[in-house]
Parts: sequence; structure tokens; C-alpha cells
Amino acid sequence: QIQLVQSGPELKKPGESVKISCKASGYTFTDYAMHWVKQAPGKGLKWMGWINTYTGKPTYADDFKGRFVFSLEASASTANLQISNLKNEDTATYFCARDPGAGDYWGQGVMVTVSS
Amino acid sequence: EIVLTQSPTTMAASPGEKVTLTCLASSSVNYMYWYQQKSSASPKLLIYYTSILASGVPDRFSGSGSGTSYSLTISSMEAEDAAIYYCLQLTSTPHTFGAGTKLELK
Repeated sequence: QIQLVQSGPELKKPGESVKISCKASGYTFTDYAMHWVKQAPGKGLKWMGWINTYTGKPTYADDFKGRFVFSLEASASTANLQISNLKNEDTATYFCARDPGAGDYWGQGVMVTVSS
Repeated sequence: EIVLTQSPTTMAASPGEKVTLTCLASSSVNYMYWYQQKSSASPKLLIYYTSILASGVPDRFSGSGSGTSYSLTISSMEAEDAAIYYCLQLTSTPHTFGAGTKLELK
């Protein structure tokens, strides 16, 4: 069965970096794009962007250009999200989602807490 | 950027009541997608391509609309339908979600 399994919760200090992983199984990883979605505590869903898992090309929403990097470990069927120079407002749950237009496959979400 | 405006923001419905949620787009979109989210769990797809029911979703849910106006209807409210509902457009980048409608059980 198709699964997206994300890494565990993270507690970081402002200015630090974090890398979240999303490991896919049950399908050919490079056949579908991987999208990333942010949900701050008590807030709605915000689309961050996506990465072409065949070419590795990322596309970022404007609010996520600069400190956010989507990457792949295609041999491991894994997509990664790295956030650098963390700020308090980065505190959120981050979801990976396989091409929302092609089925309903989401990771369980990773809670990232940024606190001094 | 296409802005999706959902209404109402919050509502309560009694068991058996018909519920209609609306999503208005600032520009025309080809299709609308609807998700249900309970607490902080991963969103669950209910409707894709505007009106197609996702696998395993009860048939009391339905979707309709075109252009800039879309709706999600629950024909008969059940307790398990209490959740937050989001619309999502994939027509243009950046993809965008509506702010959500919180549906409570009366």
C-alpha cells in the first residue's frame, strides 16, 4: 500500500536549521510530484510548493523562497524539506503530500517547534 | 495568486440537517478539491475534480460548481462530520487553500 512516512517532531532554537524527511513507499517515487504544506498551530493549510521527483526541480510559493529548500534522495524514495535560520513563526506542522491532483496520500505531519 | 474565500467561517448543524459550504475563487479555476481535517490529523480528500467522490467517502458528501463558485454539500449531517473543511485549487501556481470552514455538531 502507498505510504508517506515523515520523520519525528523537532524542537529547535531561533537561528538553527531543521531537515524533515518524507519517505514514500508502495509506488514508483519518480512518477509523482511531492508537495509540502504548512499548518501553524490553530491555523489553516498553506501550500509551500512542490518538487518534481523526476528532475529534482523545486517550485516555491513566494512566502517560502529563501530559507526553505526541497530536496530528494531518489534512491531512497525520500523527499526532504530543510528550513534554515529558523524563526518563531516557523513553528508549525509540515505535511508532505503526493501530487494532490492524483490521489489522497499525505504524510502524518511533522511538528516543528521553534523556541528559545 | 488565486484567493479562495470560504463561507461560512463557522457553522453548527443538527444531525440529519443538510449542510452547504461555499468556496469562491478570485479567478476562474478548472476544478475544485475539498478536504476534511479533524484536529491536527492529515487532511482527508473528500472530492476531486469538483464533483467526484474520493474512495471510501460516504455518498452524503457531494461537490458542484464551476468557474469561480464551488460548493460542498452534506445531505444529512452526522456527528462524525464535525471537522474543518478546506477547498484547494490546483489550476494555477501557487496552489492555494481556502481558510477553512469549521463545522460543528449542534
